[in-house]
Amino acid sequence: EAAVTQSPRNKVTVTGGNVTLSCRQTNSHNYMYWYRQDTGHGLRLIHYSYGAGNLQIGDVPDGYKATRTTQEDFFLLLELASPSQTSLYFCASRGTNLSNERLFFGHGTKLSVL
Amino acid sequence: GDKVKQSPSALSLQEGTNSALRCNFSIAATTVQWFLQNPRGSLINLFYLVPGTKENGRLKSAFDSKESYSTLHIRDAQLEDSGTYFCAAPPGGRALIFGTGTTVSVSP
Repeated sequence: EAAVTQSPRNKVTVTGGNVTLSCRQTNSHNYMYWYRQDTGHGLRLIHYSYGAGNLQIGDVPDGYKATRTTQEDFFLLLELASPSQTSLYFCASRGTNLSNERLFFGHGTKLSVL
Repeated sequence: GDKVKQSPSALSLQEGTNSALRCNFSIAATTVQWFLQNPRGSLINLFYLVPGTKENGRLKSAFDSKESYSTLHIRDAQLEDSGTYFCAAPPGGRALIFGTGTTVSVSP
């Protein structure tokens, strides 16, 4: 099964703090995604990328930056964290052929902004 | 409005019973995926579907792109089937949009 690794698993920061969430996939997938999950809202797309150097805006991008440094690595940056960004963050990846379009998720990062 | 709508929002099952979950799309979905978020929070990909049906053990899923809906059937429910089931589809083929989930509780 495809592997997506997120770090850290848990993070606590203060309002105004700087946070970077990391995601690595070793599946040779082109697409990588960052979602946040909140009670009552389900999974919402923050940013995604279809290759190194590419970035696409998702549905809830405000307050977030992202960078895809290589095909394997996708980072989510919160430069001035706010309590509203307390959430469970998931990274996911998928390929572009019918044989590998299934989306696979990392284990998630629980972020608390105090 | 909701582009991917799931029903019911919650379901209580006894072990050994059968049930069905539904996903309706207001977007032009050409594929659908179903996921289970288990009680530990992990999101597991259950199915990737083009129009048609697929079966995996006690789970069976169908996708009708013309009528814009998909179903997930659970047969002979077991305790380990508990969790939240999500369907998702990619409008325009790039990023999946998720429904808000069906929370399934299986009891002995």
